Amino acid sequence: GQSLEQPSEVTAVEGAIVQINCTYQTSGFYGLSWYQQHDGGAPTFLSYNALDGLEETGRFSSFLSRSDSYGYLLLQELQMKDSASYFCAVRERGSQGNLIFGKGTKLSVKP
Amino acid sequence: DGGITQSPKYLFRKEGQNVTLSCEQNLNHDAMYWYRQDPGQGLRLIYYSQIVNDFQKGDIAEGYSVSREKKESFPLTVTSAQKNPTAFYLCASSLLDRGHSYGYTFGSGTRLTVV
Repeated sequence: GQSLEQPSEVTAVEGAIVQINCTYQTSGFYGLSWYQQHDGGAPTFLSYNALDGLEETGRFSSFLSRSDSYGYLLLQELQMKDSASYFCAVRERGSQGNLIFGKGTKLSVKP
Repeated sequence: DGGITQSPKYLFRKEGQNVTLSCEQNLNHDAMYWYRQDPGQGLRLIYYSQIVNDFQKGDIAEGYSVSREKKESFPLTVTSAQKNPTAFYLCASSLLDRGHSYGYTFGSGTRLTVV
């Protein structure tokens, strides 16, 4: 089977940097994605890592280490609007490429 | 603008009733998915479809049914056999490359409540 672990909640202050970790166990592996979901809204795609290393998109970066089955999402210069839930998801070989989602990390940004 | 539309946004169901949630996309995406989200939980896959007239069960398909008669549409029926249907339902779509999906585009969801 497959499983993903990420912290349930994280709190940080405006302007700070926060890192949300994700560890996974899969029978095969094809890539790690991150999605953002505001309360009551639709998840939106943030980033995708297929290879080891850091991918940067503006204030958000995502990192993957396949040997450690580990990745993280890094949010810099936090803003109040970043308060949301963040989900990591893996594409697993043999699942027809479907995404398996973690339970999400609720990020609260304080003034 | 291209996108994925779910309707209705809120739906109330009486015990023993079947209800159908609509999902339409004009992104020309091959694959479509239905997920269920409960408070504090991740997204759990109900059904998915990669081509018209074909669909596969996900992890929690019991009590649900789907159809894929058109590429653009993937309605989900919550049947009376689903014992705990109150949840937030999300539809998604994606392109496929050699059978594997890439980034998902999600609809805005339907919140179903049993009354």
